[in-house]
Amino acid sequence: AQSVTQLGSHVSVSEGALVLLRCNYSSSVPPYLFWYVQYPNQGLQLLLKYTSAATLVKGINGFEAEFKKSETSFHLTKPSAHMSDAAEYFCAVSEGYGNNRLAFGKGNQVVVIP
Amino acid sequence: DTGVSQNPRHKITKRGQNVTFRCDPISEHNRLYWYRQTLGQGPEFLTYFQNEAQLEKSRLLSDRFSAERPKGSFSTLEIQRTEQGDSAMYLCASSLNRGGTDTQYFGPGTRLTVL
Repeated sequence: AQSVTQLGSHVSVSEGALVLLRCNYSSSVPPYLFWYVQYPNQGLQLLLKYTSAATLVKGINGFEAEFKKSETSFHLTKPSAHMSDAAEYFCAVSEGYGNNRLAFGKGNQVVVIP
Repeated sequence: DTGVSQNPRHKITKRGQNVTFRCDPISEHNRLYWYRQTLGQGPEFLTYFQNEAQLEKSRLLSDRFSAERPKGSFSTLEIQRTEQGDSAMYLCASSLNRGGTDTQYFGPGTRLTVL
């Protein structure tokens, strides 16, 4: 079964600094990978997704992620943090091809320090 | 284009009562998913529908839980004889699946508190 590991439940970053959120996955087949963001009292919003095309994926709000098969990783980055980036971020994996249920990591709560 | 909507947004109930939640997906989306999210955790898959057919149920979905999507549009999730452990955020997502993988769009969730 597929699974995702996100380490470090809380991540603090200074405004203007690099945001780096790590995601490692486990899947028995080539995976589909997603990053979602959740603001307080809201549902999940898709940031970006990897579906076996380009390994470097660009998403909304200046975020991007790189799929590295050899490292089974899909880390999320943003060059310069903004106060509005404060939210919870979830990495998720799907095996696709009829098995589209998402398996989520535990999430990273990002705090942006002015 | 309206997004996924869920009602109610909040529900407080006493242990042993039954509750029902509703999800209205994005129109024309043929798949509908239910997830449960507890505090400090990521969402966990419960079940999903393709049109009106329920294709998969998680082992998390005990006999007290039932979901329907009678006409392939909106869906309901019912919990019978609620327990305190059922307290969580229940999330609904929908997608348009044309084969391969699909992108799921989430609603705002229904927060259930069982006293």
